[in-house]
Amino acid sequence: DAGITQSPRHKVTETGTPVTLRCHQTENHRYMYWYRQDPGHGLRLIHYSYGVKDTDKGEVSDGYSVSRSKTEDFLLTLESATSSQTSVYFCAISESQGKAEKLFFGSGTQLSVL
Amino acid sequence: TQLLEQSPQFLSIQEGENLTVYCNSSSVFSSLQWYRQEPGEGPVLLVTVVTGGEVKKLKRLTFQFGDARKDSSLHITAAQPGDTGLYLCAGNTGTASKLTFGTGTRLQVTL
Repeated sequence: DAGITQSPRHKVTETGTPVTLRCHQTENHRYMYWYRQDPGHGLRLIHYSYGVKDTDKGEVSDGYSVSRSKTEDFLLTLESATSSQTSVYFCAISESQGKAEKLFFGSGTQLSVL
Repeated sequence: TQLLEQSPQFLSIQEGENLTVYCNSSSVFSSLQWYRQEPGEGPVLLVTVVTGGEVKKLKRLTFQFGDARKDSSLHITAAQPGDTGLYLCAGNTGTASKLTFGTGTRLQVTL
């Protein structure tokens, strides 16, 4: 199994509070991603990183920010959580991109915003 | 944004039956992947197909990429309870970080 750890695994928070989710990898892969998974929508890309301090927006980036200060860590921050951000969040890593891209996923974080 | 539609959304079958799951789009993909996800876990890559018309087999699972590279199918022969899970297809247009995931097919195989 790819060495990907997401923390916390479960989080309940209130609307308007900041929340940070952490993804830690031991594979030294260059690319890291944050997805959210909601019923009827599949997995949607929030942000991704192609190196330390190099990040870019995905399909559903509004309300989220990310940071990558070390190769192994990718943080996802909800500055002011809303109920629409209740979801399961997955971190993924890959060694390369394009046709040969293979994503390895973490076990997910279940976030509930009340 | 490319859309990938999967059908059926839900499938409940008995052990030993055969089934096919479809993944369709109006967009052309440079490659297409299939993942399986079990409850409480992240998706796990099963296969990547890159050539139009390509067929790949993984034990009892057969994956096909459409000739026009717009669609794909997953066929499971003699399903087993261990095949239970959410099956996701994902298409890649070849540009950086542009994997588009399908809506998923939830399969339940009962004894």
